[in-house]
Amino acid sequence: QVQLQESGPGLVKPSETLSLTCTVSGGSISGYFWSWIRQPPGKGLEWIAYIYNSDNINYNPSLKSRVTISVDTSKNQFSLKLSSVTAADTAVYYCARRRVVGVTVDAFDIWGQGTMVTVSS
Amino acid sequence: DIQMTQSPSTLSASVGDRVTITCRASQSINNWLAWYQQKPGRAPKLLIYKASNLETGVPSRFSGSGSGTEFTLTISSLQPEDVASYYCQNYNSVPLTFGGGTKVEIK
Repeated sequence: QVQLQESGPGLVKPSETLSLTCTVSGGSISGYFWSWIRQPPGKGLEWIAYIYNSDNINYNPSLKSRVTISVDTSKNQFSLKLSSVTAADTAVYYCARRRVVGVTVDAFDIWGQGTMVTVSS
Repeated sequence: DIQMTQSPSTLSASVGDRVTITCRASQSINNWLAWYQQKPGRAPKLLIYKASNLETGVPSRFSGSGSGTEFTLTISSLQPEDVASYYCQNYNSVPLTFGGGTKVEIK
């Protein structure tokens, strides 16, 4: 079955750029909506961005000025870049898939295990 | 943005109890609501989609109801393995938003 795996540095310095990659295995990355979601320690979930087939992208307005999401279909991967990070960006970052049923874009049915990113000097 | 408000934030109940969690949206999201279960140190797991549809493999003691702005997640008979945090999520429109979560404990 489809599995997601996040990868990237666990420690990022303030003001630098956080870069994460999600590798999709067991299925094609094409034809689905792929998202990044984060969860600060002890807090709730925040959706960051989604991408669909590289030409349909949407960002959370609260992060839009600092976020870039992209997809590499040849590697079955999609990526997140978050610039000018501060301690407030410290969180577990999850990648997740929204399934598509006919013309309906549904809930997040598959999640990666998550990766902890700490912003600290 | 559509705000999702969950209540209660914490819930303590006995094994076998019926448990209900409420989620309110700041405007109508039709039936585009999902419920997730998150155990400590784990990724969220989809329980319910489109407000009342049980995800494959999820025990039938979980059920969802509601439409528009008011939704509920019910556990008909609480089991020890149901100790977790539960989140509702709007996927009617972007930005996709989550409720603040409800932590369920065993009394």
